[in-house]
Amino acid sequence: KAGVTQTPRYLIKTRGQQVTLSCSPISGHRSVSWYQQTPGQGLQFLFEYFSETQRNKGNFPGRFSGRQFSNSRSEMNVSTLELGDSALYLCASSPGRAPDTQYFGPGTRLTVL
Amino acid sequence: AQKVTQAQTEISVVEKEDVTLDCVYETRDTTYYLFWYKQPPSGELVFLIRRNSFDEQNEISGRYSWNFQKSTSSFNFTITASQVVDSAVYFCALRSDTDKLIFGTGTRLQVFP
Repeated sequence: KAGVTQTPRYLIKTRGQQVTLSCSPISGHRSVSWYQQTPGQGLQFLFEYFSETQRNKGNFPGRFSGRQFSNSRSEMNVSTLELGDSALYLCASSPGRAPDTQYFGPGTRLTVL
Repeated sequence: AQKVTQAQTEISVVEKEDVTLDCVYETRDTTYYLFWYKQPPSGELVFLIRRNSFDEQNEISGRYSWNFQKSTSSFNFTITASQVVDSAVYFCALRSDTDKLIFGTGTRLQVFP
């Protein structure tokens, strides 16, 4: 069974731009979560989706948004990029609702210049 | 509030040494779940183990073992006869039934030949 896939793997943007990251969960998994990892703040939860509905949201500004499609694939969007948004963005999928074990993808490394 | 503390920022050992990674958690919930993940240099978080709060049995999987003690709110991870391939950052995480997954700050393990 294929694991969680994330595209793109690497991304370079400039301040003020917006970016969309994509995540395809493990086949059959209906829940997708997103995390931001930075050296200073560590791993921080962004949001969780289950059956196209946002179930949980972390403490991030409204510039960070996400959605989930009927096939469980998910996208997250960051608008008006700031230098501090440079990070590794990790997506995780799980079979259903909490507290299933989450399985992570390889991440998207975003660099904001 | 929930919290996970990994006091050891970095540990260095020589191959074949045993090493224990500490994890202390805080939660007011009676039902919760504890996890360990490994993050090799490639960046992907690899799931290692999940433990439910109502199951305090220790677990052994090959060279890996986990000691869960509710009395001290600890969930420690021991690698026996460490190998160079064990070099990675290890994260302990906590989740309650309906809440988000909270990660510790991670412990970087370096195993030298």
